[in-house]
Amino acid sequence: DTGVSQNPRHKITKRGQNVTFRCDPISEHNRLYWYRQTLGQGPEFLTYFQNEAQLEKSRLLSDRFSAERPKGSFSTLEIQRTEQGDSAMYLCASSHGRTNEKLFFGSGTQLSVL
Amino acid sequence: AQKITQTQPGMFVQEKEAVTLDCTYDTSDPSYGLFWYKQPSSGEMIFLIYQGSYDQQNATEGRYSLNFQKARKSANLVISASQLGDSAMYFCAMRELSTNFGNEKLTFGTGTRLTIIP
Repeated sequence: DTGVSQNPRHKITKRGQNVTFRCDPISEHNRLYWYRQTLGQGPEFLTYFQNEAQLEKSRLLSDRFSAERPKGSFSTLEIQRTEQGDSAMYLCASSHGRTNEKLFFGSGTQLSVL
Repeated sequence: AQKITQTQPGMFVQEKEAVTLDCTYDTSDPSYGLFWYKQPSSGEMIFLIYQGSYDQQNATEGRYSLNFQKARKSANLVISASQLGDSAMYFCAMRELSTNFGNEKLTFGTGTRLTIIP
């Protein structure tokens, strides 16, 4: 069990650029979640996958955001035409999928849009 | 809609003392789960403890216990014998479990920053 891995840890970009983050969940976990956390707030749900299927998306996930989990293993979150308001910590989490089970979180990707 | 409220933005506690972090919640789902997570400065969210709405006893995990008062919709975290390494942000979270609610996500509160003083 190597834990949930996220890359990169930090990303600085200019407004209008596209960015992509990667998440590698714990290998036997079939559920993968993306959350966003801004300063002074708790994490906010963005989307989640059951294997390769994206089953739920928050209204926070605008058209500029897209997430994929092509083979049911790692996942990518892409933000197109970044805006300063996208600056946040992007957290990935995974679980087996049982309803009362805890989520295992990665250390996150800190995005700064200049 | 589910909602989590943490009213203590920050707390300072002397080392070795016990501390209670407050959490209230709101849901119309009779079946739900309550979680507490710790977030140190490194950023990773670390699971501490879980309480199900139908659990008869309060959950305990080592130095952590959850004071669950269902009628008051309260799920306070108690940390006994606090240590310097307990300094971190603490988040309360909830998941609605009934299938007709269709929620698979955790909803988090705004957190409490706990600082342990030597």
